[in-house]
Amino acid sequence: DQQVKQNSPSLSVQEGRISILNCDYTNSMFDYFLWYKKYPAEGPTFLISISSIKDKNEDGRFTVFLNKSAKHLSLHIVPSQPGDSAVYFCAASDPGGGSEKLVFGKGMKLTVNP
Amino acid sequence: NAGVMQNPRHLVRRRGQEARLRCSPMKGHSHVYWYRQLPEEGLKFMVYLQKENIIDESGMPKERFSAEFPKEGPSILRIQQVVRGDSAAYFCASSHEQGVPYNEQFFGPGTRLTVL
Repeated sequence: DQQVKQNSPSLSVQEGRISILNCDYTNSMFDYFLWYKKYPAEGPTFLISISSIKDKNEDGRFTVFLNKSAKHLSLHIVPSQPGDSAVYFCAASDPGGGSEKLVFGKGMKLTVNP
Repeated sequence: NAGVMQNPRHLVRRRGQEARLRCSPMKGHSHVYWYRQLPEEGLKFMVYLQKENIIDESGMPKERFSAEFPKEGPSILRIQQVVRGDSAAYFCASSHEQGVPYNEQFFGPGTRLTVL
């Protein structure tokens, strides 16, 4: 039972164009959503987040959009750069159980071609 | 300010042996999370600890797995009598405290466990 889904395993874009990464979730109790970037043999690195009470958060080239009614969020990277090539994980914070544990999607590999 | 440290980075064990994974949180952080990543999968929550307390172990397998975060020293994830299915990357994350808004979890580089 996957509560956070990233349905596309990979995406390839040209340098300078926009990258759009999508994520769907099923649990309406999630109160915070995050995107992490991961290089091989390294741990995930926090990229950007959004509270469930907002619908947009922007940080430089990165913007996250949240559509609560559709239980959908997306990460926009513009302009895309070759250094953005990595695996991107969508994650949701689950406040249940007394913790803020993260529930991750399976990840999506982004390749930005020069 | 050093980040989250995990050791060893790579660990090879034979079936039936014990594996001990260590995690030192970022300075000033008192909350530790352990996650496991199987091949081609996302990270899955295992356990959340504060100093000397297990707060949420809902993701821990019922047998062979245990975790601790003593008053002094690193957090330890222990896997007894390892099996091939335990082969995975184990990541530790730490945070300063819980609260509003969300407190970011900082991840270590992971320990890659291979069970032969």
